[in-house]
Amino acid sequence: AQSVTQLGSHVSVSEGALVLLRCNYSSSVPPYLFWYVQYPNQGLQLLLKYTTGATLVKGINGFEAEFKKSETSFHLTKPSANMSDAAEYFCAVRSITGNQFYFGTGTSLTVIP
Amino acid sequence: DSGVTQTPKHLITATGQRVTLRCSPRSGDLSVYWYQQSLDQGLQFLIQYYNGEERAKGNILERFSAQQFPDLHSELNLSSLELGDSALYFCASSPGNEQYFGPGTRLTVT
Repeated sequence: AQSVTQLGSHVSVSEGALVLLRCNYSSSVPPYLFWYVQYPNQGLQLLLKYTTGATLVKGINGFEAEFKKSETSFHLTKPSANMSDAAEYFCAVRSITGNQFYFGTGTSLTVIP
Repeated sequence: DSGVTQTPKHLITATGQRVTLRCSPRSGDLSVYWYQQSLDQGLQFLIQYYNGEERAKGNILERFSAQQFPDLHSELNLSSLELGDSALYFCASSPGNEQYFGPGTRLTVT
């Protein structure tokens, strides 16, 4: 079975600072990987995804993530945080052969002015 | 706007009652997923349908059921409601690899 671990349920950064949200997965076969963002009282919005090809993927709002097979990680980064980045972020995986998506428990990002 | 619609947006009902939540997937997406999101349990996968057939089952209670109709919209039925069923219920549609989430239905059981 797949599982996803998001290290740090709460992360605070200063405006303009680097954002780093960590995600590790467990899977015998490299899965498809996703990051979603959820703003208060809204649904989850796809930020970026990795399926095949280049391991560094760029998403919306200046976010990017790198798939590292050797570390079974898919950490989300953004060079400079904006106040509008404050939200809940979810990492998710799906096996290439399965239907089910597995979500991490989420990381709440606070941006300090 | 993800293209996935859910109705109603809010629902308040009493314990023991039954409710139906509705989801319309994005145009062309055959797959629909249902999730429950609560503060104490996070985002829980409930069930998936693909082109009218059940494909995967997660942590769905026996009091809950779902179906997907020929026009691909889906309904989640929650019965014998308990206080603990209060949560946000999301549906997501998928063209294949990724999911697109609807805005959710907030269910409050009093």
